[in-house]
Amino acid sequence: AQKITQTQPGMFVQEKEAVTLDCTYDTSDPSYGLFWYKQPSSGEMIFLIYQGSYDQQNATEGRYSLNFQKARKSANLVISASQLGDSAMYFCAMKNVNRDDKIIFGKGTRLHILP
Amino acid sequence: DADVTQTPRNRITKTGKRIMLECSQTKGHDRMYWYRQDPGLGLQLIYYSFDVKDINKGEISDGYSVSRQAQAKFSLSLESAIPNQTALYFCATSEGTGGWETQYFGPGTRLLVL
Repeated sequence: AQKITQTQPGMFVQEKEAVTLDCTYDTSDPSYGLFWYKQPSSGEMIFLIYQGSYDQQNATEGRYSLNFQKARKSANLVISASQLGDSAMYFCAMKNVNRDDKIIFGKGTRLHILP
Repeated sequence: DADVTQTPRNRITKTGKRIMLECSQTKGHDRMYWYRQDPGLGLQLIYYSFDVKDINKGEISDGYSVSRQAQAKFSLSLESAIPNQTALYFCATSEGTGGWETQYFGPGTRLLVL
């Protein structure tokens, strides 16, 4: 069965430090995509980054990078040089290509950036 | 202007009332979705539509119905609202060209059922 696990319910990080948000997943399908979304206190879901299961290199988008370790089934989000505006809830998600169009979301990690 | 819009953004209603949440998108995507988010939890899929004639139930469709009026419009109805339907509701779209294309979310509708 598909599953996403985010083991850190909350994190506190000093501004300007790098932060890693953990995500592990479980699937038996060889073709899948992994996503990270940010949800600030205003509530909207903001797409951050995507990694395909066959991508050879880790995805990067500005200060965001995805540390993809396929054998360990982990897809950690790394935020470099954290900013106060990074304080938000972060969701890891996965979607298999051979199933219906259902994205599976983890329960999220709440990140607090301290000044 | 936002690519995916939802109306209303906030709604308070009473138990037993019928309400409709609307979603519009200008991204030109074929696929549209409705999710709900309960406090402290991830998202659960209510309904999804691959095109105007294709509507599918998600994991929590009981108590909800949908209408895909056009490629750009996908509405969610609560036929008889109940308090445990109080949640944050999201509409999302995706392009539909591959199996794992990114979903883009609207700003959400906060619904309170008294």
